[in-house]
Amino acid sequence: DTAVSQTPKYLVTQMGNDKSIKCEQNLGHDTMYWYKQDSKKFLKIMFSYNNKELIINETVPNRFSPKSPDKAHLNLHINSLELGDSAVYFCASSQGVGRVYGYTFGSGTRLTVV
Amino acid sequence: QKEVEQDPGPLSVPEGAIVSLNCTYSNSAFQYFMWYRQYSRKGPELLMYTYSSGNKEDGRFTAQVDKSSKYISLFIRDSQPSDSATYLCAMAGANSKLTFGKGITLSVRP
Repeated sequence: DTAVSQTPKYLVTQMGNDKSIKCEQNLGHDTMYWYKQDSKKFLKIMFSYNNKELIINETVPNRFSPKSPDKAHLNLHINSLELGDSAVYFCASSQGVGRVYGYTFGSGTRLTVV
Repeated sequence: QKEVEQDPGPLSVPEGAIVSLNCTYSNSAFQYFMWYRQYSRKGPELLMYTYSSGNKEDGRFTAQVDKSSKYISLFIRDSQPSDSATYLCAMAGANSKLTFGKGITLSVRP
């Protein structure tokens, strides 16, 4: 049973398109995150939600809009995709905002914008 | 200057070697220190964590933190081909936001 699952695993799309990535966790965690990993393996936080409430919003273009319909789901919608959005996007979850050691990451969504 | 700097790679060692991976940081507010391992096409997984200066050992892995020098290390003894992966250091302060190093790709040759 996958703890943090992301769909799709791979996404190839043209510039200018709008796409969504979905994330679900079955760990009962109350905090979920989106991270972006670039081609040089640099992993950077984008957003964090705790109990459906946005708590971290890094300097991310407003073309990126997260949505958390409930504690177990966090989706990422990207409008007007650009070449520079090509990266691997990881969803993660943890229990409680203060528990830095308890992150569980999904396997990632590899987005390629052509 | 980035908040977390990690030694650049890639790193290739023979099986059985001792591996030393290092990160430095500039933010004095960091109080939690972690090492993640990431296999190809997978998400990062927590390998070691600590919050105090000193050494913490777990099997073949030792995490070392020197808060006065703002320096952390991960040592891998008797390295195995299965240790081949990308290793990322990560740190957090009271706000619990993880800040990652750039990652170093390790290859252990049989």
